[in-house]
Amino acid sequence: GIQVEQSPPDLILQEGANSTLRCNFSDSVNNLQWFHQNPWGQLINLFYIPSGTKQNGRLSATTVATERYSLLYISSSQTTDSGVYFCAVPVRGGGADGLTFGKGTHLIIQP
Amino acid sequence: NAGVTQTPKFRILKIGQSMTLQCTQDMNHNYMYWYRQDPGMGLKLIYYSVGAGITDKGEVPNGYNVSRSTTEDFPLRLELAAPSQTSVYFCASSFRQGSGNTIYFGEGSWLTVV
Repeated sequence: GIQVEQSPPDLILQEGANSTLRCNFSDSVNNLQWFHQNPWGQLINLFYIPSGTKQNGRLSATTVATERYSLLYISSSQTTDSGVYFCAVPVRGGGADGLTFGKGTHLIIQP
Repeated sequence: NAGVTQTPKFRILKIGQSMTLQCTQDMNHNYMYWYRQDPGMGLKLIYYSVGAGITDKGEVPNGYNVSRSTTEDFPLRLELAAPSQTSVYFCASSFRQGSGNTIYFGEGSWLTVV
């Protein structure tokens, strides 16, 4: 199956700072999603972004499919942004056979 | 709107016991999934289903079984529980995996095998 690597594994920032999270994947995909897992364990879908750039408020994401990476940008961080951010791609690159997840970036925003 | 509902939320099992994690969705989604998440790790796919009566193995199916008799329900059965099955289990659903359709997760079920 496809391998997903995320960096950095841990990130501690002050409130108001900006950050960039990276996701590398080992093969072509037709689907890439970013998720946020809050400190209570709840998983929320942030972006579906197989290619190009999308923005939603203070968050934006860019996927360069030809180079097999995606970036998640968080601007003007707030303490509620804390948690783990996961990147996920299809287990075998496409189809409906579920997503494979990276190990995540653990983000802590300090007030 | 309940979304994806999992029960139980917490459970302690003894080695060798069996149990079923229940999952129900009320969004009429065709696709449903079971994942497990070990501490400090991402989610790993156990089983998935693309519709009633159709199931298939994911990355880590050993020790588990599923069924999909209705669109709404996708229970996960643990047979002969082992300490390696201590994990957090998430059920999820979507209309389709691709094409931008959102995948919705349940709140998780914390399982400890002792």
